Amino acid sequence: DAMVIQNPRYQVTQFGKPVTLSCSQTLNHNVMYWYQQKSSQAPKLLFHYYDKDFNNEADTPDNFQSRRPNTSFCFLDIRSPGLGDAAMYLCATSRVGVVDTQYFGPGTRLTVL
Amino acid sequence: DAKTTQPNSMESNEEEPVHLPCNHSTISGTDYIHWYRQLPSQGPEYVIHGLTSNVNNRMASLAIAEDRKSSTLILHRATLRDAAVYYCILRQRGGNQFYFGTGTSLTVIP
Repeated sequence: DAMVIQNPRYQVTQFGKPVTLSCSQTLNHNVMYWYQQKSSQAPKLLFHYYDKDFNNEADTPDNFQSRRPNTSFCFLDIRSPGLGDAAMYLCATSRVGVVDTQYFGPGTRLTVL
Repeated sequence: DAKTTQPNSMESNEEEPVHLPCNHSTISGTDYIHWYRQLPSQGPEYVIHGLTSNVNNRMASLAIAEDRKSSTLILHRATLRDAAVYYCILRQRGGNQFYFGTGTSLTVIP
């Protein structure tokens, strides 16, 4: 089945230690998104890629970066995680050109010690 | 970002219909109304979307007010598996961004 895959499902890192979360998709969608979801809150859009074009949300901290080496993969890099960055990180995809839906992965839960 | 307002929580008895409201008074003519739901420990999943006319699919129905300033997601027979947080989202036509509102946590009582 075509899907959005996130690895790992659970990630533990130390305060200030860089961490990378990965997302892959078999849907061949040209848009990929990263959301941050803290406990009991709605998902918050961090940024998205339209093909190779990177679109950052105005309030996304500089500590968060992203890479998309090809259509299928997208990475979220947190350069110096703080305790406040502990959250669920959700990857999603969609197509452009039609009013289409987003397809979400299961998320990676990040713990910062 | 166009904003939506939803009740924080609602309850429904199993096998009864559920009407989940959403206010979006600042909606523009090109905004589509999307509904997603998030089951516990899962990523959000698409439920339904519409522009002006009411919409039906296998999961739910979407009723859109004539002035488009509000909409209602209708689950015709709630089951225990429908217990989730339901998000009403406005998406600008031609835009890629989805901005989630606070959502409604639906509890289904057996």
